[in-house]
Amino acid sequence: DAGVTQSPTHLIKTRGQQVTLRCSPKSGHDTVSWYQQALGQGPQFIFQYYEEEERQRGNFPDRFSGHQFPNYSSELNVNALLLGDSALYLCASSLVWENEAFFGQGTRLTVV
Amino acid sequence: KQEVTQIPAALSVPEGENLVLNCSFTDSAIYNLQWFRQDPGKGLTSLLLIQSSQREQTSGRLNASLDKSSGRSTLYIAASQPGDSATYLCALPIEGADGLTFGKGTHLIIQP
Repeated sequence: DAGVTQSPTHLIKTRGQQVTLRCSPKSGHDTVSWYQQALGQGPQFIFQYYEEEERQRGNFPDRFSGHQFPNYSSELNVNALLLGDSALYLCASSLVWENEAFFGQGTRLTVV
Repeated sequence: KQEVTQIPAALSVPEGENLVLNCSFTDSAIYNLQWFRQDPGKGLTSLLLIQSSQREQTSGRLNASLDKSSGRSTLYIAASQPGDSATYLCALPIEGADGLTFGKGTHLIIQP
């Protein structure tokens, strides 16, 4: 049973560019959440997708957007990258009526 | 706004010791609490999920307890091993949302 998979594992972008991160949820899961984790900090909730719609959003600017596809996979897009966007981006999946979250291995984004 | 605090921030102990990691939260109206493990630069591995109706959960050498009234959870690790070295994070559902709010974690080192 494949767990949550994220791609790419590492990424280097230049300030001002745009980036797309991808996530495939655990088999059978229908809900995908995205988190940003700065070095030495706990993950911060960005947003959650269910039935191809954004359900909830954390305190992140509109530069952060997402999408969920009919197969439940998801993308996180970040526009106009800032140096401060450098972080580990984590995807988590779950079932909408359950609350146990399962995380992927993350994508390390470095903005230079 | 739910705030999560984990104490201690770091802990280094010899192999074989039993140890306790603490997690406190400000809003006791929670419906579950989840403990995770994170190895350096990696994603999160779910260890234990405690529902609000439960007082504790056990998995192998791990035991997590939950006291909603006092806003506290503890993770007990028995007979620690060097492989237990990692950062341990507790997380609770964000009020009014479906994402999680995390503590900053306890960085644990088990000395061989």
